[in-house]
Amino acid sequence: QLVESGGGLVQPGRSLRLSCTASGFTLGDYAVSWVRQAPGKGLEWVGFITNKADGGTTEYAASLKGRVSISTNYSESIVYLQLNSLKTEDTAVYYCTRGGFNWGQGTLVTVSS
Amino acid sequence: DIQLTQSPSFLSASVGDRVTITCRASQGISSYLAWYQQKLGRAPKLLIYSASTLQSGVPSRFSGSGSGTEFTLTISSLQPEDFATYYCQQVINYPFTFGPGTKVDFK
Repeated sequence: QLVESGGGLVQPGRSLRLSCTASGFTLGDYAVSWVRQAPGKGLEWVGFITNKADGGTTEYAASLKGRVSISTNYSESIVYLQLNSLKTEDTAVYYCTRGGFNWGQGTLVTVSS
Repeated sequence: DIQLTQSPSFLSASVGDRVTITCRASQGISSYLAWYQQKLGRAPKLLIYSASTLQSGVPSRFSGSGSGTEFTLTISSLQPEDFATYYCQQVINYPFTFGPGTKVDFK
C-alpha cells in the first residue's frame, strides 16, 4: 500500500515536500515514480527513483528539472518529492506509484496566492 | 522524448459493445507499454503491462496487443463499470510519458 501526504495550499515561489509512505513491501526493493494530474487534465510523469540495489538514482521530467527532487528514507519506508519555486501550473493531484502496479490515493497541491 | 498519441480522444459506446483504443508512439518502444483505467476522482489502475500481459485481477474482457509503434487496448464486451478514461504509458525511455487519454462514455 502507498499513502501520499503533505499536500495543501501553498503560495507561488514557496516549496513543499510530499511524502509517500509504503507498507506491505520493502520499499528498497522497488523503484517508485511520482505522477501528477492537473485539474481536468491527463497524467504527467514527474520523476522516478530506482531501487536500493540500483543505487536509488533519480530521473525527472525536463519540464520540472531543477525544481524537483526525489529521495528515499528506507528505514521509514518513505519516498519524498521535494517541489521548489512552485508555480500556479504545479497545481495538481500528486500520486506515487510502484511501477504502475500500486498507486496511492493522491495528495492535492494547490499553488495560489 | 517519446510522444504517445491516442485515438479516439472520446468514444461513446453502449454496454456490450466491443471497444478498441489505439496508442501510437513517436518511435519504436518494443513492448514497453502499459494501459491504465482511471475513474473520476480515483487513482489510475493498471490493466495491461508489457503491451499484452493482463494484470492480476483484471477481467479477461480487457486485452492488449501491438509492439513497436502501434498498440491497441480492446474491451471485448463493455460493462457499466468500464466507463472511464484510459491512458497508455511508455516505460522504455525517460521520461515515461503518458498518452493524452481516451474517455469512454455512455452512448
